[in-house]
Amino acid sequence: GENVEQHPSTLSVQEGDSAVIKCTYSDSASNYFPWYKQELGKRPQLIIDIRSNVGEKKDQRIAVTLNKTAKHFSLHITETQPEDSAVYFCAASKSRGSTLGRLYFGRGTQLTVWP
Amino acid sequence: SAVISQKPSRDICQRGTSLTIQCQVDSQVTMMFWYRQQPGQSLTLIATANQGSEATYESGFVIDKFPISRPNLTFSTLTVSNMSPEDSSIYLCSVGRENTEAFFGQGTRLTVV
Repeated sequence: GENVEQHPSTLSVQEGDSAVIKCTYSDSASNYFPWYKQELGKRPQLIIDIRSNVGEKKDQRIAVTLNKTAKHFSLHITETQPEDSAVYFCAASKSRGSTLGRLYFGRGTQLTVWP
Repeated sequence: SAVISQKPSRDICQRGTSLTIQCQVDSQVTMMFWYRQQPGQSLTLIATANQGSEATYESGFVIDKFPISRPNLTFSTLTVSNMSPEDSSIYLCSVGRENTEAFFGQGTRLTVV
C-alpha cells in the first residue's frame, strides 16, 4: 500500500509568519493529494487538494505544491493567524475506480500560531 | 458535498463486549470507508465497505474483529468486537465520489474500560 511521511510533527510560528509542511509518498500511481485540518474534537476538514496533473494550487493564504518526480508535496500557509492553529494532515490517494477516496494519511503536524 | 450522520457520537464500553457504529449518508455514494484515529495519532484506514459484497480490509485489520455491513448505497455499519482498552479510539466513516473530496462523519469516540 501507500506510505505517506509528513514533517514536521510540530510547528510553532509567530502570527503573520509563513508555515510550511512537507509530505512524501511512495506509490507513484497516487494522483490525488488532499490536505485536512483537524481542530480538537472535530472531524477532519478539507482545506485544499491537488491532482497530479497540476504542479501548484492556491486558495487565498493557502497553497499546495506537488513534485511528481520526487514524490513530494507541500502545504504553504502565509500570513498565519491564531485560528490556523490545528493539526494538519496530508494524504494520498488513487482517485479512480475502486480505490477512489481510499486515503492514506501522514502522521499529522500540530501547528501553533502565537499571537 | 455529502451530509454524513454517524452514531453514536461517543460510548463507554466494557471490555469483551461489542459496539456497532452506524454511518448514514444523505445521498447515494459509491465508496464508503472506515478509519480509526487513536488518541493523538493520524487516521488509519480500516476497510472499504463494499455494497453487496464483503468489505476489503487493510493490512492489520480482520473481519472477525471489525465486521462491516453495507446493505445499500447510503448506509454502513462497523462493529468493534470483543473490545479491549487498546480499541479505545475515534472511529470515522468517510465517503468518496469521483472527482470530489472525501467527506468524514463526525466520528465515534469509543472508550473501553
